[in-house]
Amino acid sequence: ETGVTQTPRHLVMGMTNKKSLKCEQHLGHNAMYWYKQSAKKPLELMFVYNFKEQTENNSVPSRFSPECPNSSHLFLHLHTLQPEDSALYLCASSQSVAPVETQYFGPGTRLLVL
Amino acid sequence: AQKVTQAQTEISVVEKEDVTLDCVYETRDTTYYLFWYKQPPSGELVFLIRRNSFDEQNEISGRYSWNFQKSTSSFNFTITASQVVDSAVYFCALSSTGGFKTIFGAGTRLFVKA
Repeated sequence: ETGVTQTPRHLVMGMTNKKSLKCEQHLGHNAMYWYKQSAKKPLELMFVYNFKEQTENNSVPSRFSPECPNSSHLFLHLHTLQPEDSALYLCASSQSVAPVETQYFGPGTRLLVL
Repeated sequence: AQKVTQAQTEISVVEKEDVTLDCVYETRDTTYYLFWYKQPPSGELVFLIRRNSFDEQNEISGRYSWNFQKSTSSFNFTITASQVVDSAVYFCALSSTGGFKTIFGAGTRLFVKA
């Protein structure tokens, strides 16, 4: 089983749609992350969850709503998105949020907002 | 403040050439960790190496080698005898005991032509 999986891999949605991105990790990790990667911009950390509790919200607009039901699953609920939200959304996990821990990434969801 | 600078936006080489990707970091912490990741066109960031601030030994793994120099705050990555499959975006990243999140550089896109 691949370490970190993400579905869907590609998503096209209108600005009025509601959709969800799913991430699952099979590594037994306790921390999970959402990142946004836009063209020509550095990776932007969006949310951090540690043992299912949100520990970081990096000033993300409320149209992005994360959910972490358990340490293995992470969702990103999307609603009323804007075209500038089109990007690659990457999920990652690590053993803990300690600086020493390596983050392992999923393949990402390429989102296009029309 | 913590910062990671990858000054080379794009590098293009011909197969079998050696190439070095530069990474310069800033942190006031004495304990920190440096990472390199590879992002092929498929999108997933693949972990390559982690280094802690107390270990300045250079590392070699096959055709990959890393040169960590605290005196110049650099953690450069060299690919020897590059291959087409090395074409990807490479990210350098920093995490430290004083910061809560991993800081990524902007990435260097490497093109290896046959």
